[in-house]
Amino acid sequence: EVQLVESGGDLVQPGGSLRLSCATSGFTFNYYAMTWVRQAPGKGLEWVSTISGSGTSTYYADSVKGRFTISRDISKNTLYLQMNSLRVEDTALYYCAKSSSCGGDCYRPDYWGQGTLVTVPS
Amino acid sequence: QTVVTQEPSFSVSPGGTVTLTCGLSSGSVSTNYYPSWYQQTPGQAPRTLIYSTNTRSSGVPDRFSGSILGNKAALTITGAQADDEADYYCVLYMGSGISAFGGGTKLTVL
Repeated sequence: EVQLVESGGDLVQPGGSLRLSCATSGFTFNYYAMTWVRQAPGKGLEWVSTISGSGTSTYYADSVKGRFTISRDISKNTLYLQMNSLRVEDTALYYCAKSSSCGGDCYRPDYWGQGTLVTVPS
Repeated sequence: QTVVTQEPSFSVSPGGTVTLTCGLSSGSVSTNYYPSWYQQTPGQAPRTLIYSTNTRSSGVPDRFSGSILGNKAALTITGAQADDEADYYCVLYMGSGISAFGGGTKLTVL
């Protein structure tokens, strides 16, 4: 059974940093891309970042490019999101998702964790 | 910047059929966008319904189907049930590893 457990969410002041983690089990971690998706309170889903199975390719939404870094540790079956220069608008529930390939550099989230909450107060 | 569009809300009667759509603010959705659809109920993580336009995810009832209708991706629910009341999101592959979600459709079954 695929399991994804996010952690690391917290209250952090604007300009601060935070690292989110996503511990995975139930699948061969390095075979699959992984994605972070966020959801601001009462709002819709927003794709944030994807990393390929090997970790050699990373992709970011314009809203986080240059501030967030996605990475993975295959030895720990864990996905990370380093978040720097946090803004009020980064407040959201952050989901990690196992992602399957739809061809080339196209990846689709298939299994989702329950999320971890990041709050950046105004 | 191209935006992925969805109806903000929709309602359907129990047993009825409803089609939700996923479009682009500029241009047409085709299978090359590999549209996927997700269902989210309050307080829960999203659940995958459909991927690559029309492939049902494991365990998804066959009353859910995906297609391309005109210039949009579409999710059709046939024989709607009370527990289909949820938020529905589409996501499109925009190229170069980038994906974009639509704003979501709140479906009411009444």
